Amino acid sequence: GAVVSQHPSRVICKSGTSVKIECRSLDFQATTMFWYRQFPKQSLMLMATSNEGSKATYEQGVEKDKFLINHASLTLSTLTVTSAHPEDSSFYICSAPGTGVYEQYFGPGTRLTVT
Amino acid sequence: SQQGEEDPQALSIQEGENATMNCSYKTSINNLQWYRQNSGRGLVHLILIRSNEREKHSGRLRVTLDTSKKSSSLLITASRAADTASYFCATDEGGRGGSEKLVFGKGTKLTVNP
Repeated sequence: GAVVSQHPSRVICKSGTSVKIECRSLDFQATTMFWYRQFPKQSLMLMATSNEGSKATYEQGVEKDKFLINHASLTLSTLTVTSAHPEDSSFYICSAPGTGVYEQYFGPGTRLTVT
Repeated sequence: SQQGEEDPQALSIQEGENATMNCSYKTSINNLQWYRQNSGRGLVHLILIRSNEREKHSGRLRVTLDTSKKSSSLLITASRAADTASYFCATDEGGRGGSEKLVFGKGTKLTVNP
């Protein structure tokens, strides 16, 4: 099946610094990718839709200036958490639709800890 | 917004027993999907059921969908310790037809004791 990778899998950073998370579709192209965050023992919350060649679409309540998304190519989307704070500590997961209309493939997630 | 609501939030059973998880949603949908997540890992797609389907099987999984009640259930038969994970339902948003955005429920944490 299709594979989506994320890098890094874990990152620890200090308050005030920025962290970039990469999401790659390894064997297929994705004009759209989705970014979710998941707090411990909770569900996934959609943050934004990343669109290749155009601006990302953010969900209500998500700060676009804090969570910068760049969909640079058909296989790569990046999420940059700017000026990270401890409350940004979370599990960030990306997904990309497959060839079927309803298929989605999820990355393994990135655990961000802000100290 | 979280549309799907799973019930129960946590379920603990013995190996060999069946596990049933339920999900309710609020808006019209084109399809409903179930995913599995091992602790600290990404999601794995289990099964998709379309709005015009009432029941679907895949191996030890059985999914039902009742659009009149806006609910779905996931049954895992003859459970194994390896089935221990969190299970989430997800719906396409607002029934827009082909929308790829998914709205996830809160999940059911299943523990299968050997």
